[in-house]
Amino acid sequence: EAGVAQSPRYKIIEKRQSVAFWCNPISGHATLYWYQQILGQGPKLLIQFQNNGVVDDSQLPKDRFSAERLKGVDSTLKIQPAKLEDSAVYLCASSLGTVSGYEQYFGPGTRLTVT
Amino acid sequence: GNSVTQMEGPVTLSEEAFLTINCTYTATGYPSLFWYVQYPGEGLQLLLKATKADDKGSNKGFEATYRKETTSFHLEKGSVQVSDSAVYFCALPLGGSNYKLTFGKGTLLTVNP
Repeated sequence: EAGVAQSPRYKIIEKRQSVAFWCNPISGHATLYWYQQILGQGPKLLIQFQNNGVVDDSQLPKDRFSAERLKGVDSTLKIQPAKLEDSAVYLCASSLGTVSGYEQYFGPGTRLTVT
Repeated sequence: GNSVTQMEGPVTLSEEAFLTINCTYTATGYPSLFWYVQYPGEGLQLLLKATKADDKGSNKGFEATYRKETTSFHLEKGSVQVSDSAVYFCALPLGGSNYKLTFGKGTLLTVNP
């Protein structure tokens, strides 16, 4: 079974530029999550999708971050414009979204450096 | 809301040493508890879980017991290996439904040969 795929793995941009991350979840997983992991901290949930609908985006800085999950499969997370404090690893995870929904499967992440 | 407090790291051990990583939680009710592990350069993966009080989760030689009296879920392993070097995260549901997790800050474990 293929795991959660993310790209790119690394990205370096200057502040005020824009960047986009892509995630392909495990086939059949209805729920998709985007997390931000700042160095030395645990992952912080940014947004959760159930199929192609948003379940929770309360922690997403909506003035600069946006995310979509068209057709309920792949997802993209965008930052525009980026700030220095956005430097972090962005993790995508997926789960079945059923009774075992807390068992989340994570991708390798995208390490973003904003200079 | 629910939250978790995890032992600060880093932790450095020699191979075959005993490992304990402390985790305590604050929660409404008795939610499931989880330990996730993140190996270098990889995403997190579920290590073990416990779904009710007094349950013991186990996997790959690691164990954790859900203790409601002390609101704890400490991770233990009797004999660590170099390959156990990773960051370990304690986690529990954020509360309500919709399968959201909140994670501790993580504990970096380094095992030396």
